[in-house]
Amino acid sequence: AQSVAQPEDQVNVAEGNPLTVKCTYSVSGNPYLFWYVQYPNRGLQFLLKYITGDNLVKGSYGFEAEFNKSQTSFHLKKPSALVSDSALYFCAVRRSGNTGKLIFGQGTTLQVKP
Amino acid sequence: DGGITQSPKYLFRKEGQNVTLSCEQNLNHDAMYWYRQDPGQGLRLIYYSQIVNDFQKGDIAEGYSVSREKKESFPLTVTSAQKNPTAFYLCASSISRGRDTQYFGPGTRLTVL
Repeated sequence: AQSVAQPEDQVNVAEGNPLTVKCTYSVSGNPYLFWYVQYPNRGLQFLLKYITGDNLVKGSYGFEAEFNKSQTSFHLKKPSALVSDSALYFCAVRRSGNTGKLIFGQGTTLQVKP
Repeated sequence: DGGITQSPKYLFRKEGQNVTLSCEQNLNHDAMYWYRQDPGQGLRLIYYSQIVNDFQKGDIAEGYSVSREKKESFPLTVTSAQKNPTAFYLCASSISRGRDTQYFGPGTRLTVL
């Protein structure tokens, strides 16, 4: 079955420290992976995606993600967290086939404390 | 959120009433999607459309209907058959199906009174 798992409901970090939000996936074929961020009562904003190529993907607002095929993971990272990074983060994988449909994880709330 | 508008932002409905949520995009995207978001459940796909005059059911289509008469518009109707319609509804679009990134609108929060 195709699925995405975000094992942590919430991640707490201090401002200035590095952050990691975890994502693992299960999909047949080559995965297309995405990270989105959502602020309260807003739509999702696209951060970055992995389609092919370099395993380290750089995205918006200083975020990056590392694709690890052997561990079927796509963890989101940032070297130095900001209070303004506090939000809900979603990992998503495109389903097999050519429909463009995405499977979303449950979401991880990131809390950055000053 | 730029390029995709959803209206209204907040919507209240009495039980037994149908209600239509608007989604418009000016990005010239072929594909459009409707998702439902409930706390702790991520996003679930309701309907999607890859081209004008064509649409397919997603994972939770029961109690919902859509139309795609114009490329830029993909309205969602929540019917009285939807048992638990209170949720946050998100519309998205992408250039085409496949590997393209989906971009999201600001969402509509529907509350059934």
